[in-house]
Amino acid sequence: AQSVTQLGSHVSVSEGALVLLRCNYSSSVPPYLFWYVQYPNQGLQLLLKYTSAATLVKGINGFEAEFKKSETSFHLTKPSAHMSDAAEYFCAVTYPAQKLVFGQGTRLTINP
Amino acid sequence: GAGVSQSPRYKVTKRGQDVTLRCDPISSHATLYWYQQALGQGPEFLTYFNYEAQPDKSGLPSDRFSAERPEGSISTLTIQRTEQRDSAMYRCASSYRDSSTDTQYFGPGTRLTVL
Repeated sequence: AQSVTQLGSHVSVSEGALVLLRCNYSSSVPPYLFWYVQYPNQGLQLLLKYTSAATLVKGINGFEAEFKKSETSFHLTKPSAHMSDAAEYFCAVTYPAQKLVFGQGTRLTINP
Repeated sequence: GAGVSQSPRYKVTKRGQDVTLRCDPISSHATLYWYQQALGQGPEFLTYFNYEAQPDKSGLPSDRFSAERPEGSISTLTIQRTEQRDSAMYRCASSYRDSSTDTQYFGPGTRLTVL
């Protein structure tokens, strides 16, 4: 069965600092991987996804993630945090089933 | 429609009552998913539809939960004889086709509170 682990339920960074949100997966077959962001009182919005093309995936709002099969990881990064990045972030996996299997989420706080 | 919509946005009910939640997917999308999200957790899969067919309902927690999509567009999720443990955010998502690579677009969710 597939599973996703997000290390750190809360991450706090200063404005302008590097953002690093960690995601590790467990899957018996090469998975497809997704990062979603959830702003307060809104639905989940796709940031980026990996579907077996380039291992470095660029998404919206300056975020990117790198698929590392040897480390079973798909960490999300952004070089310089902005106040508007404060939100909850979810890593998820699919394949072979279509359903998304989510991690528990990481709440990102940006300090001025 | 332009996006996925869900109604009601908030529902408060008493234990033992039945509730029905509605999801209206993006109009061109064949596939529709239901997820349950407890407070402080990630969403968990309940069931999904490809047009009218319901290929996977393995995530439904009990036979009190049922879903339908009779005309392949709007879907409803019904919880019978609600219990306090059913309190959660219920999220609907749709995708263009039945594929594990397709992006799932989420609605705003329905917050269910069972007293």
